[in-house]
Amino acid sequence: GESVGLHLPTLSVQEGDNSIINCAYSNSASDYFIWYKQESGKGPQFIIDIRSNMDKRQGQRVTVLLNKTVKHLSLQIAATQPGDSAVYFCAEKVGSGGYQKVTFGTGTKLQVIP
Amino acid sequence: GAVVSQHPSRVICKSGTSVKIECRSLDFQATTMFWYRQFPKQSLMLMATSNEGSKATYEQGVEKDKFLINHASLTLSTLTVTSAHPEDSSFYICSAYRANTDTQYFGPGTRLTVL
Repeated sequence: GESVGLHLPTLSVQEGDNSIINCAYSNSASDYFIWYKQESGKGPQFIIDIRSNMDKRQGQRVTVLLNKTVKHLSLQIAATQPGDSAVYFCAEKVGSGGYQKVTFGTGTKLQVIP
Repeated sequence: GAVVSQHPSRVICKSGTSVKIECRSLDFQATTMFWYRQFPKQSLMLMATSNEGSKATYEQGVEKDKFLINHASLTLSTLTVTSAHPEDSSFYICSAYRANTDTQYFGPGTRLTVL
């Protein structure tokens, strides 16, 4: 999940459809993963998290899937709404407490078409 | 919920001047705060970890003499960009670590533009 380039991948989705945003991570030692939503000009906002001993976690309209075998994470958003338009980052956390380090992935821009 | 603020939200300065950005945890104490930098259309990159009462830990490639961090209280960390240059123009975001939830809470960010 290193940040690369100057162009964010973009996913365009029709309002009401489901969105799936994918993320690959690199550190096998990562034991905790977080999805963040970042609207333009704002800080990241926590959406959902998952620990490495789980492969699926559900929240309100969101589901995170974790495949440790291939180091892949996905965020599914059900019934996508215009307010979901933002950049979504997966992040992996290593360490604990004040010694933790959160590394953000590249990010995916979600555009919801009304 | 846990609230983290940053001040200022936007700042424009001339090349060669210094700029101080504040990060405050409003309703909890944070022994550790983190500073990130985000260039346009890119991801957040951790710059340094700020520990209350001790020296900050900087990530590789981040100049500690250029980006001065002070964490003098349990609710305030400051980042000072010294002798700013146009390439320092970026979105600076802090987070504050809350121990009882084992979670980093992010501030709204500060947009720095160096002319």
